[in-house]
Amino acid sequence: QVQLHESGPGLVKPSETLSLTCTVAGGSISSYYWYWVRQSPGKGLEWIGYIYYTGTTNYNPSLKSRVTISVDTSKTQFSLKLSSVTAADTAVYYCARANHGIEYWGQGTLVTVSS
Amino acid sequence: DIQMTQSPSSLSASVGDRVTITCRASQSINRYLNWYRQKPRKAPELLIYTASSLQSGVPSRFSGSGSGTDFTLIISSLQPEDFATYYCQQSYSPPYTFGQGTKLEIK
Repeated sequence: QVQLHESGPGLVKPSETLSLTCTVAGGSISSYYWYWVRQSPGKGLEWIGYIYYTGTTNYNPSLKSRVTISVDTSKTQFSLKLSSVTAADTAVYYCARANHGIEYWGQGTLVTVSS
Repeated sequence: DIQMTQSPSSLSASVGDRVTITCRASQSINRYLNWYRQKPRKAPELLIYTASSLQSGVPSRFSGSGSGTDFTLIISSLQPEDFATYYCQQSYSPPYTFGQGTKLEIK
C-alpha cells in the first residue's frame, strides 16, 4: 500500500521560504505524477503543481514565480519550496500521487505564516 | 485557467436518499473529470476518475457521468459516512482546477 507523508516546519515567517518534503513509502517514485495541493482554512482545494519522476514540472501560474518542486528518486522523496510567503499562504499542504485522478494523498500538514 | 463550478454549494439529505451533484467546466474537458469526497479534517479521497470510472475500493453506490462541460456525481443511497464535502477536479489542462465544493449535510 502506497503511503505519503509530509514533513517540514509548521510555522514560517512572512517573506521567508516554506519548505516541505514528501516521503513515499510502499511504492516506487518512478512513473506517476507527484503533486502538491493546498487547502486554506475552511476553503477549497488549490492545485500547486506537479513533478514527474523524470524531473518535468508544471506549476499553477498563480504561484509559478514562487514555487519550486523537486524530486530525489534515491530517497523516494519530492519537495516543495514556496518563497516570499504571506499570510495568504497559510494552509494545509498535501502531497499526493496522481495517475487517473489523485489516488493517494498524504495526511496533510498545516503551515502557518506568521511572525 | 479552466473554471469548475459545482452545484449546489450545500445540500441537506437523509440516510438512504439519492443525491445528485453537478459540475460544469468553463470549456470542454472531454472526460477528464474526477470526483473526491473529503471528510472533516481528512485528506480527500478519489471516488470517480475520467468522469465515470469507479476507483478501486469505492462502493458501487457512487457513480459518475458526463462529458464535455457537464458532469454529474450520483450517490444512490446515502450512508452516514457520506456526509462530507465533495469536489470535482479537471485533469484536462494544467492548472488542474477544483470546483468550490459541495457540502452534504444531514437533514
